[in-house]
Amino acid sequence: AQTVTQSQPEMSVQEAETVTLSCTYDTSESDYYLFWYKQPPSRQMILVIRQEAYKQQNATENRFSVNFQKAAKSFSLKISDSQLGDAAMYFCAYRREYGNKLVFGAGTILRVKS
Amino acid sequence: EAQVTQNPRYLITVTGKKLTVTCSQNMNHEYMSWYRQDPGLGLRQIYYSMNVEVTDKGDVPEGYKVSRKEKRNFPLILESPSPNQTSLYFCASSLSGVDPRSNQPQHFGDGTRLSIL
Repeated sequence: AQTVTQSQPEMSVQEAETVTLSCTYDTSESDYYLFWYKQPPSRQMILVIRQEAYKQQNATENRFSVNFQKAAKSFSLKISDSQLGDAAMYFCAYRREYGNKLVFGAGTILRVKS
Repeated sequence: EAQVTQNPRYLITVTGKKLTVTCSQNMNHEYMSWYRQDPGLGLRQIYYSMNVEVTDKGDVPEGYKVSRKEKRNFPLILESPSPNQTSLYFCASSLSGVDPRSNQPQHFGDGTRLSIL
């Protein structure tokens, strides 16, 4: 079974600075999808960024980018120019190529200091 | 507006009193799923449905039931709730449960906070 590990329960960053959240996963499959979700205090699950394993290029969405290292099974999220609105719980998630089920990590709470 | 609607958003109840959390989506999605979120564990899948009348267990199905009589609705039923089912629950849906290469993102409801005393 696939597993997703987020080893940082909490992280802090100063406003306008850069922070990287770590995620590792375990799978024997070669094709799959990886996601980062943001959960603000409102509890909504907001998709931040998505990466297809068959793509070598790292995904980027505005201030959010990933460092996808397939051989190392690592999928970190970099947030540049951090803003107060980035404060939230962040979940890393895995999805098999053939399927809809998401496997989530335990989450990382990100605090942004002004 | 495309959305997944869960009700109620909050519920405090007592052990053994049957309850149902409703979930409805307006996107004609085939796939629907329930997750529970617990501290230190992230979200774990309870049950899922690939289409009408097709449901199956996820990773933590004990104590829960579901049904899928209509495409848009996927209620979660706790027949005899217990305190260990106190949690935050999410319903999610996505476009295709059968297209193996679909990369459609899942749409989540806003969550239901259940407290069972």
